[in-house]
Amino acid sequence: DSGVTQTPKHLITATGQRVTLRCSPRSGDLSVYWYQQSLDQGLQFLIQYYNGEERAKGNILERFSAQQFPDLHSELNLSSLELGDSALYFCASSNGLAADTQYFGPGTRLTVL
Amino acid sequence: QKEVEQDPGPLSVPEGAIVSLNCTYSNSAFQYFMWYRQYSRKGPELLMYTYSSGNKEDGRFTAQVDKSSKYISLFIRDSQPSDSATYLCAIPMFSGGYNKLIFGAGTRLAVHP
Repeated sequence: DSGVTQTPKHLITATGQRVTLRCSPRSGDLSVYWYQQSLDQGLQFLIQYYNGEERAKGNILERFSAQQFPDLHSELNLSSLELGDSALYFCASSNGLAADTQYFGPGTRLTVL
Repeated sequence: QKEVEQDPGPLSVPEGAIVSLNCTYSNSAFQYFMWYRQYSRKGPELLMYTYSSGNKEDGRFTAQVDKSSKYISLFIRDSQPSDSATYLCAIPMFSGGYNKLIFGAGTRLAVHP
């Protein structure tokens, strides 16, 4: 158990809808990272937050957004969903700003029908 | 050219075999190298972390870095069915003013009894 929790485990929704994925980092970790993992694209970095502030952006679509709250939990919002957004979404956390040692949550499996 | 290249496999070996998993990278400035293990339907977990060239051993696992060839390897001795997972190499990279972790595509390993 990495100490990172994610909810929900599974999400099934329809195209055009909006969903919110939630992540709680390990105790004491200030950085939260979001990744998308699909069969054809592998593990793709989406965005990083550090202590409530956005610090880095990767291959995140404009339809996606995230935030980190004062209690350090984070939410990833996905809107106007398309079939191609079906994937595993992972949250990871680390103690500092450096991206090296990250601890991953169990993931949320999103299926868009 | 991708920053990190990894053969996705799959790789199937008998129990007890020595397994060699490999990645190549493009930037000679990379200094830190990691291996993550991901079981089916789980998040990646950090397995090994090495700095610069040379070998690092942890039980049945050995991580090797050859900076002259820009080649990193993970060896698994006396492989067990419980080693069946996807193994991802990862390299932290500083780009565009921030750190990010670049993952290889992952090699799927199956160890059969």
